[in-house]
Amino acid sequence: GAGVSQSPSNKVTEKGKDVELRCDPISGHTALYWYRQSLGQGLEFLIYFQGNSAPDKSGLPSDRFSAERTGGSVSTLTIQRTQQEDSAVYLCASSSWTGESRSGYTFGSGTRLTVV
Amino acid sequence: RKEVEQDPGPFNVPEGATVAFNCTYSNSASQSFFWYRQDCRKEPKLLMSVYSSGNEDGRFTAQLNRASQYISLLIRDSKLSDSATYLCVVKEETGYALNFGKGTSLLVTP
Repeated sequence: GAGVSQSPSNKVTEKGKDVELRCDPISGHTALYWYRQSLGQGLEFLIYFQGNSAPDKSGLPSDRFSAERTGGSVSTLTIQRTQQEDSAVYLCASSSWTGESRSGYTFGSGTRLTVV
Repeated sequence: RKEVEQDPGPFNVPEGATVAFNCTYSNSASQSFFWYRQDCRKEPKLLMSVYSSGNEDGRFTAQLNRASQYISLLIRDSKLSDSATYLCVVKEETGYALNFGKGTSLLVTP
């Protein structure tokens, strides 16, 4: 597609429920990243995919968080048993980054998750 | 992850003013540097990469000082539309992620 697409744009869920957030990267971009941004905070790295594999998942805050990517394209971030501290904007970005590129990322518009 | 530090501001400047933002990073092995812009409740967007020799894009000039581990962004002739949060971003030599500062808020007033 023309840009990085994320869905849903907004999600309100009850504490303890599971949620799935979807990211559709720019066509042909092999690198995909998930970040989250809490109110008034900077961007916090969660996980990086190169193709379908995740060489860096060091930012996932707990084992309630998991992510997968299939077909080298769409990625899903799953949060199980959501807690109020999970409330944030979850941003997905893609890049043609191969390790040496200076192109930076293109971000999607994010999913605003509110846990009540 | 290593730190990227920015003055959060806000910087309030009149239209037409020149304003400069600074950023420091802690990892001397950092490899690539960027400035991103983030409007309120929007996603970050790449403003410009920062090269060792310094680079300019219209009214925007970025500088890198590797010895001092310092990056700057200069905006000349500020426009109302420049009002946003400016994020300093650093990529380490190892690892895959970009490390974001918390941003500097700019408000340009008429």
